[in-house]
Amino acid sequence: GESVGLHLPTLSVQEGDNSIINCAYSNSASDYFIWYKQESGKGPQFIIDIRSNMDKRQGQRVTVLLNKTVKHLSLQIAATQPGDSAVYFCAEISGGSNYKLTFGKGTLLTVNP
Amino acid sequence: DTGVSQDPRHKITKRGQNVTFRCDPISEHNRLYWYRQTLGQGPEFLTYFQNEAQLEKSRLLSDRFSAERPKGSFSTLEIQRTEQGDSAMYLCAREEGLAGANTQYFGPGTRLTVL
Repeated sequence: GESVGLHLPTLSVQEGDNSIINCAYSNSASDYFIWYKQESGKGPQFIIDIRSNMDKRQGQRVTVLLNKTVKHLSLQIAATQPGDSAVYFCAEISGGSNYKLTFGKGTLLTVNP
Repeated sequence: DTGVSQDPRHKITKRGQNVTFRCDPISEHNRLYWYRQTLGQGPEFLTYFQNEAQLEKSRLLSDRFSAERPKGSFSTLEIQRTEQGDSAMYLCAREEGLAGANTQYFGPGTRLTVL
């Protein structure tokens, strides 16, 4: 049978273009969201976060948008650079007594010089 | 630097052997998490500590797995009688603050290969 887990969504962009990576989350009770970048052989690296009482947050070259109505999260990277090539994960925390992260599937971003 | 170190970075073992991994966060008295990541997937929660207390364990954590965090500082994850299905990246994450949800910072992980 097909190994679905090995088929990551992919996004290929040219250096200097803007990138948009999308993520759908399932738990309407989630109140905190984080984007991570993971390079091969390394642990996930924090990029930017957003809480559910916000719909937009900006960092350096990155912007996160949150649409709670449709449970959608996006990461925008401006002026994408070759060093941005990695797998990007969105993660959510639903609170309660355990603040464990629940990760999305991941998107492989490839930046072409 | 995320303030989390893990040792070893890579471990190759034969099926049936026991292995132990260590995680050292820079600060004590906070929440510490263990996750497992297999190829092509996002990390999955295994267990977490608040100070030295282990407060929750995932269904993924069979009775062959045990984790400790003596004195609320470093943590160890032991796998007994390893199986090929245990091959994965084991990640440790620290979280600062005890109230509410806060950013989790990951270590570089320990890559386990069970032959």
